[in-house]
Amino acid sequence: EVQLVESGGGLIQPGGSLRLSCVASGFTVTSNYMSWVRQAPGKGLEWVSGINTGGTTYHAESLKGRFTVSRDNSKNTLFLQMNSLRAEDTAVYYCAREGGGASSFDSWGQGTLVTVSS
Amino acid sequence: DIQMTQSPSSVPASVGDRVTITCRASQSISSWLAWYQQKPGKAPNLLIYAASSLHSGVPSRFSGSGSGTDFSLTISSLQPEDFATYYCQQTHSFPYSFGQGTKLEIK
Repeated sequence: EVQLVESGGGLIQPGGSLRLSCVASGFTVTSNYMSWVRQAPGKGLEWVSGINTGGTTYHAESLKGRFTVSRDNSKNTLFLQMNSLRAEDTAVYYCAREGGGASSFDSWGQGTLVTVSS
Repeated sequence: DIQMTQSPSSVPASVGDRVTITCRASQSISSWLAWYQQKPGKAPNLLIYAASSLHSGVPSRFSGSGSGTDFSLTISSLQPEDFATYYCQQTHSFPYSFGQGTKLEIK
């Protein structure tokens, strides 16, 4: 069974850094494109970052330079390093597998909440 | 970057109604379009991929159509469990983008 479990969220002060993890089971993260998607409280979905099977990474233009996606093949884990955090980064962060047809996201984690506040 | 625009933002409906939600891309995305359903406090679930293909396990009352820039999601006969928020997403090119969502509300 395919499963994604995120962790690493919490309360962080503005300007701080946080690293989110997403442990995959039932498949290997290197065999699929993977993405991070976030959702601010009461708002819609926003694609954040992605990594393809070859390791090339992609980021939302507005987040470039602050957020970095990576993976650890030995741990079958996806990461999102978030730096210089701002109040507007407060959101639930989901990892998702691009395993459906036409690059659709067929599996999602339960999400981890990041709150940026002093 | 490709912008996705959904309409309406909310739609009041009743059980048994036929409902259609539309999604427009700012440039052609061929059929690289997916639809998701999200319920409060839960992760989104894939409904439709490649604009019109039904994801495994999704009821046949859901259907998708369109190509290029104009797409739609139709629920043929609303069931109580269908009241949720629906999002379209383009996967034509990075950065991927979502529509702003359409909330299906009980009339």
